[in-house]
Amino acid sequence: SQKIEQNSEALNIQEGKTATLTCNYTNYSPAYLQWYRQDPGRGPVFLLLIRENEKEKRKERLKVTFDTTLKQSLFHITASQPADSATYLCAPLLNRDDKIIFGKGTRLHILP
Amino acid sequence: SAVISQKPSRDICQRGTSLTIQCQVDSQVTMMFWYRQQPGQSLTLIATANQGSEATYESGFVIDKFPISRPNLTFSTLTVSNMSPEDSSIYLCSVEGPTNEKLFFGSGTQLSVL
Repeated sequence: SQKIEQNSEALNIQEGKTATLTCNYTNYSPAYLQWYRQDPGRGPVFLLLIRENEKEKRKERLKVTFDTTLKQSLFHITASQPADSATYLCAPLLNRDDKIIFGKGTRLHILP
Repeated sequence: SAVISQKPSRDICQRGTSLTIQCQVDSQVTMMFWYRQQPGQSLTLIATANQGSEATYESGFVIDKFPISRPNLTFSTLTVSNMSPEDSSIYLCSVEGPTNEKLFFGSGTQLSVL
């Protein structure tokens, strides 16, 4: 069955450094991969989508990579700030009409 | 973007009772989705609700336990029936963006069953 793995351990990063989160998937080949941010007590908020033919995508301080050979996506936040502290969820999709299935998410703490 | 209002935001319920969660969207949407997020777990899709037809349930979820209504293109309800403590969770409704490439979520309903 399809499996999505995100680091379940919380990630602590010093303010100003780059935070890198990992999303690994097995048993399928998604054409798209989404990343969401979720704050406590709130619903997830969409951040970025990357397609299988895009190796990298950027949005302000965010960068996402998609390696279909390794079956992995990396999510980077550069010049991290305490306000970036949240849980980040990845969601690989087979196609645009596919139902969206989420990983468990990684909790990120940016330490001042 | 879509603005989704969900209520109640939280509730504490007794075992054996039912709770209906409402979801209102500020624009017309074809499909609405209901997710559950148990403590420390990922979001799990419960069902997809289309206006004018019965909801489509995912494996492990049944209509008798989670009846859904979708009376129009901007509104849906999810009922959690005959609740047990195992139903304690966050319930979220969501809709797709216009290009079907992302979801917008309500702020969720935190349900605790005693």
